[in-house]
Formats: sequence, structure tokens, C-alpha cells
Amino acid sequence: GAGVSQSPRYKVAKRGQDVALRCDPISGHVSLFWYQQALGQGPEFLTYFQNEAQLDKSGLPSDRFFAERPEGSVSTLKIQRTQQEDSAVYLCASTPGAVGDNEQFFGPGTRLTVL
Amino acid sequence: LAKTTQPISMDSYEGQEVNITCSHNNIATNDYITWYQQFPSQGPRFIIQGYKTKVTNEVASLFIPADRKSSTLSLPRVSLSDTAVYYCLVPSLYSGGGADGLTFGKGTHLIIQP
Repeated sequence: GAGVSQSPRYKVAKRGQDVALRCDPISGHVSLFWYQQALGQGPEFLTYFQNEAQLDKSGLPSDRFFAERPEGSVSTLKIQRTQQEDSAVYLCASTPGAVGDNEQFFGPGTRLTVL
Repeated sequence: LAKTTQPISMDSYEGQEVNITCSHNNIATNDYITWYQQFPSQGPRFIIQGYKTKVTNEVASLFIPADRKSSTLSLPRVSLSDTAVYYCLVPSLYSGGGADGLTFGKGTHLIIQP
């Protein structure tokens, strides 16, 4: 079956532009996660949804970052007024239930480059 | 404060068994231990998960001592294609809905040589 998909795969933005990154989780998966992975680093947690509820957004680096999952399936990560330090790979993952005892299925990521 | 600690890098040779140990001193009673593998330009991929003692699948084994403060990922007879970054995670969900232990850290860069 289809895995987690993300679009676009690559995004180049000029500093100050707004961007929107999309994640399509595996159908029926309850939990959805966003991560930011800088070059040479491991993925850092940004935010977590259970269905449409955003249960944890403690990892969002600033109020320029906003995520939503209005119908409990597709999610969008929006970054306003992009800065060069936002350049990274943004990964989305989903799990069928709560994360504690479920593996996370990751998408391929969106590589964001801010010029 | 990092929840897990693992070596930054390891080297081995094809055909050898590789063991990567992770420390998680603050593991909670309900926490599971999960390992992921990541190749360049790909998202992490689940390898194995365990709660206690030993778990084995077609890819790896996971050894967890009784105190659960550490775990060891064992990769039997590695090949060049096992060169990747390996991450140990101990994810927790709070009853109020918050999450912890979901940042992967730097992981262990495993390099397999011919």
C-alpha cells in the first residue's frame, strides 16, 4: 500500500517568503508528527497530532511555524517569513495509534532551501 | 536534556556482527525502546522495538537488560548496505497529550568497510 507522501520534495524560497509543506499520512493513521532535520543532525521533533487535535507543539522553533490537520488526515506545515536558518529537511511521520508502542512511518521529506 | 545517549560513530567490516548500545537512564515504566535506520536523503526507517529481555526480527536483535537503562541493537553479518545512521528512541506520551523523547539526537554513524 501507499506510504507517507510529502510534497513538494524540494522547495527553494527567498528570505521572507511564506511556504507550505504538505504531508499525506498512511490512510487511517491516527497520529502524525512533523520533524526538522538540519544537515548532519538527527530529526528534531516539531509537533504532533492525534486525529485533528494538535496535542504537542513544543518543538516549533518560533511563532512563524504553524501546523494544521483540519480533518485528521492530511497535514500542512506552514512557515511564515522564512529565514535562512529554516533551511532543512522537513519530515512527516504517521503511526496507527499512540506513538509509545507503534513504529513511525516516515515520508521522504521536503528539502527547504531559503536563499 | 537528552533522553538517550549512543556513540557518535562506529566502524566495522562486512560479515561481522555489530552491536550498538544506547543508554536511557530515565526510562519510564511504560516506555518502549525503538531503533531506526536512516540512509542519506531518506526518512528514518523502523528497525526494531522492544520492552524487555530480547526481541529478534529478520533484520536485527534488541537486547534489553532487566533494569532497562540501556539497550543494544545487534546487526548480524553486516554488509556494505548497512552503512547508515542508527537512532535509539524512547518515546513517551503524557496523559495530557504531550510528547517526549521524540527528538532523535545525532545517532550512531555506522560505516561498514569491505
